[in-house]
Amino acid sequence: AQSVTQPDIHITVSEGASLELRCNYSYGATPYLFWYVQSPGQGLQLLLKYFSGDTLVQGIKGFEAEFKRSQSSFNLRKPSVHWSDAAEYFCAVARIDDKIIFGKGTRLHILP
Amino acid sequence: GAVVSQHPSRVICKSGTSVKIECRSLDFQATTMFWYRQFPKKSLMLMATSNEGSKATYEQGVEKDKFLINHASLTLSTLTVTSAHPEDSSFYICSARATTEAFFGQGTRLTVV
Repeated sequence: AQSVTQPDIHITVSEGASLELRCNYSYGATPYLFWYVQSPGQGLQLLLKYFSGDTLVQGIKGFEAEFKRSQSSFNLRKPSVHWSDAAEYFCAVARIDDKIIFGKGTRLHILP
Repeated sequence: GAVVSQHPSRVICKSGTSVKIECRSLDFQATTMFWYRQFPKKSLMLMATSNEGSKATYEQGVEKDKFLINHASLTLSTLTVTSAHPEDSSFYICSARATTEAFFGQGTRLTVV
């Protein structure tokens, strides 16, 4: 069955430091992969997505993610975080029948 | 980008009553919409897939009679929580697929008192 694992429940980084959020997936074929961000009490905003082609994907707000088939990973990165990046981040995989399955999320905390 | 509007954003209801949540795709047609439920500090759990003109497909463990889904048009899906109980209190989010991307509503915070 398709699944998404985000091993880190909480991540704390200092403002200006680099960030990497981990995501591993289990899927029978080439997946559609997504990263979403959710601010408290809000809906979801798409940061970036991967379907095919270049394995390094650029998204909004300076985020990028790299698809590594050999590692079944799709880690999210940002070279320098801002205090406004504090939020919940969800990695997701789309199933063949279009359903999106989410990981459990990683809460990002930013230290001033 | 495409917009999905969800209404209401917050609702408080008495135990035993029913609540309807609307999900609209504003600038595209969505033959399929999805309903998710999010518990506090938890991930989004897919509840059901809403198909325009046909019955919804529910995920295992989701009560069909409690969470009624109607997808009457290509731009509107509704979720009705029937005979609501405090344990139904949660954050409900809808989603609509447009080609290769899914767009999400802003969510509805349901509190049953």
